[in-house]
Amino acid sequence: GAVVSQHPSRVICKSGTSVKIECRSLDFQATTMFWYRQFPKQSLMLMATSNEGSKATYEQGVEKDKFLINHASLTLSTLTVTSAHPEDSSFYICSASVGRSTEAFFGQGTRLTVV
Amino acid sequence: AQKITQTQPGMFVQEKEAVTLDCTYDTSDPSYGLFWYKQPSSGEMIFLIYQGSYDQQNATEGRYSLNFQKARKSANLVISASQLGDSAMYFCAMSPRSGGSYIPTFGRGTSLIVHP
Repeated sequence: GAVVSQHPSRVICKSGTSVKIECRSLDFQATTMFWYRQFPKQSLMLMATSNEGSKATYEQGVEKDKFLINHASLTLSTLTVTSAHPEDSSFYICSASVGRSTEAFFGQGTRLTVV
Repeated sequence: AQKITQTQPGMFVQEKEAVTLDCTYDTSDPSYGLFWYKQPSSGEMIFLIYQGSYDQQNATEGRYSLNFQKARKSANLVISASQLGDSAMYFCAMSPRSGGSYIPTFGRGTSLIVHP
């Protein structure tokens, strides 16, 4: 199957700093990428959907100024957590799909800890 | 809006036995897809199986099969001949078919532990 690479896998940052997480589709062009957040022992919550070259669509309750998403190319989407706070600590995971494909390919996830 | 319900927070099964993980859903969309994903402790989401709402036959992928009962709005995952490596969280997901693409909504998950 297709490969989605997410980097970094773990990051610890100080409160008030910004953190960028990259999601790359390695062997296919992803027309749509999704960003999810997962709290311990809970489900994945969709944060936003991004299509290459256009602004991301954020789910209700997700602060777009806090979680900046850029989908600059068909193989790369980035999530930047700005002015991170301890409550932003979580597992963030991206997925990518191609056109009308029924399958979404997931990255390995990023565990963010804000201290 | 769609809703996914997984009522089993945890399941135990003996190695080589079969296990069924329950999933019910609610949607008013006539066309939708149902998905199952496996999430090991490392965190990555592994796609297991897909069922389209208009598919006549239940989906199967190796040891995984999806028991799709449309009238009851259930999409249970059956894992045959369980292996120790099957121990993980399992998520059921559903998405309406909107504009030709899928945006899955996930259930709360079921933790499966396979005993030797």
